[in-house]
Amino acid sequence: QKEVEQNSGPLSVPEGAIASLNCTYSDRGSQSFFWYRQYSGKSPELIMFIYSNGDKEDGRFTAQLNKASQYVSLLIRDSQPSDSATYLCAAPNNAGNMLTFGGGTRLMVKP
Amino acid sequence: NAGVTQTPKFQVLKTGQSMTLQCAQDMNHNSMYWYRQDPGMGLRLIYYSASEGTTDKGEVPNGYNVSRLNKREFSLRLESAAPSQTSVYFCASRKGEVRTGELFFGEGSRLTVL
Repeated sequence: QKEVEQNSGPLSVPEGAIASLNCTYSDRGSQSFFWYRQYSGKSPELIMFIYSNGDKEDGRFTAQLNKASQYVSLLIRDSQPSDSATYLCAAPNNAGNMLTFGGGTRLMVKP
Repeated sequence: NAGVTQTPKFQVLKTGQSMTLQCAQDMNHNSMYWYRQDPGMGLRLIYYSASEGTTDKGEVPNGYNVSRLNKREFSLRLESAAPSQTSVYFCASRKGEVRTGELFFGEGSRLTVL
């Protein structure tokens, strides 16, 4: 089982809606999680980092971490066509010496 | 501010040929990484260097070698390219430690092995 799992999508939402992206992880000891956004043909860029249970908000983005259920979510409010991209979830591995990425979820926001 | 610079951006090789991907960062980061990205597979770590003078294997190191030339530069070498190494390769450097630090990526190198 991959350490970090994501639904590959595509997830299609209308403009202005809330997009909900989910990520599950297998290591109960994982302490921190990253969300990277990757536009087609471009390199990933960090958009959110979360390390404690609950929600973390940054503008239109909210990351939610539920350690008991071993999932982390990214909510995008008021989705815009410019949010169309692949979103990669990542977590440090057991040894804490590298970051393990999920396969990514492709989001499409339709005008 | 250049950040992480990779060369070349595109390369086509024949099976059995060798090549080196170059990477340099100007952010004074200790840690540097080489990832490959294949459709639906996310990013998989090939090799990393936690500091100048050290290198370690990642998830998929077979068929690759690396050199941490100095603090700025980290190169990836394919000694005998195979079609399975067709991929997009990303170099990255890290600010801070693994559990909390942000990765900064280069623009990627698209490699095709025929």
